[in-house]
Amino acid sequence: DTGVSQDPRHKITKRGQNVTFRCDPISEHNRLYWYRQTLGQGPEFLTYFQNEAQLEKSRLLSDRFSAERPKGSFSTLEIQRTEQGDSAMYLCASSPTGQGNSPLHFGNGTRLTVT
Amino acid sequence: AQSVAQPEDQVNVAEGNPLTVKCTYSVSGNPYLFWYVQYPNRGLQFLLKYITGDNLVKGSYGFEAEFNKSQTSFHLKKPSALVSDSALYFCAAYGGATNKLIFGTGTLLAVQP
Repeated sequence: DTGVSQDPRHKITKRGQNVTFRCDPISEHNRLYWYRQTLGQGPEFLTYFQNEAQLEKSRLLSDRFSAERPKGSFSTLEIQRTEQGDSAMYLCASSPTGQGNSPLHFGNGTRLTVT
Repeated sequence: AQSVAQPEDQVNVAEGNPLTVKCTYSVSGNPYLFWYVQYPNRGLQFLLKYITGDNLVKGSYGFEAEFNKSQTSFHLKKPSALVSDSALYFCAAYGGATNKLIFGTGTLLAVQP
């Protein structure tokens, strides 16, 4: 169990640029989640996958955001035409089942700063 | 709507004293409840969970939490606080119509030596 890994740890970009983050979940975990966390707030749900299928997207996820998990393993989160309001910590988490009784295992996050 | 509330932004406690971090939830049906801890610039680490059964659940690092259905609460407790317990604590709930964890806004625990 090598844990959930996220890359990069930090990303600074200029407003209007596109960014892509990667998440590698724990290998046997079927569920993969993306959350966003801003200062002073708890993590807010963005989207989740069951294997390669994206099953739910939050209304927070505007059309500038897209997430993929093409082979049911790693996932990418892309933000197009970044805005200053996108500055946040983006957290990825995985779990072995979708039944809710398994805790999520979180990565250390990607901190995005949009200047 | 499903929600989790942590009424205290910060809890201050002296080392060696007992600590309580409060959490209430609003989730339909029987909820699954969790506590996570977050250290600076890190992801969240799982502490403990309540699924069913005994209302007092024990978790990592000497933490425990008490589920109270009538008060819809799930307070985190520890008999004797350590300076190293200082961190941000999140309560979360999974249940009802949701297929995802919903988090509270977090409580910063500061343990003074």
